[in-house]
Amino acid sequence: AQSVTQLDSHVSVSEGTPVLLRCNYSSSYSPSLFWYVQHPNKGLQLLLKYTSAATLVKGINGFEAEFKKSETSFHLTKPSAHMSDAAEYFCVVSDRYSGGGADGLTFGKGTHLIIQP
Amino acid sequence: NAGVTQTPKFQVLKTGQSMTLQCAQDMNHEYMSWYRQDPGMGLRLIHYSVGAGITDQGEVPNGYNVSRSTTEDFPLRLLSAAPSQTSVYFCASSYRGTWDTGELFFGEGSRLTVL
Repeated sequence: AQSVTQLDSHVSVSEGTPVLLRCNYSSSYSPSLFWYVQHPNKGLQLLLKYTSAATLVKGINGFEAEFKKSETSFHLTKPSAHMSDAAEYFCVVSDRYSGGGADGLTFGKGTHLIIQP
Repeated sequence: NAGVTQTPKFQVLKTGQSMTLQCAQDMNHEYMSWYRQDPGMGLRLIHYSVGAGITDQGEVPNGYNVSRSTTEDFPLRLLSAAPSQTSVYFCASSYRGTWDTGELFFGEGSRLTVL
């Protein structure tokens, strides 16, 4: 069965310091992995995706994530946090053949990123 | 380009009432879906559709009904509202099924409270 675990429900960093949001997954096959961001009272927006190409994936707004198969991880990072990064972040696994949701997607429970001035 | 449009944005219902959440997309996407978002639960799939005339159940379909008569529209009906259906509902669409690693485009959500 497919699953995704976001290791922190809340992360707080100071503006200008690095951001690390952790995500571990389990999947029987070769999954695709996504990070989505949700700003307050908005819908989810795709930040970046891994689809079996380069393991280091760059996304919008300076975010990037590295797919590590040996560690079954897909952590999201940013070198320097900005106040506008304050939002909810969701790690998502997509694998139709590994018992995810009916549409093949499994969402993590989310990590709330707080940026301190 | 409007993307995915959901209406209404806010709704308060009494237990037992019925209502329809509307979702429309103007990107000619074949795939559309409805999720509910509850605190600490992530997003859970209610129903989805891979094209006009085709719908299927997701993880939490009970108490909800859908139809897909056109490519553009995918309404979600609450048959007899219950307090457990208090949630934020998101409609999403994609060029292809998500198993093709297509990106999901989300609406801004509909916040429903059932008293």
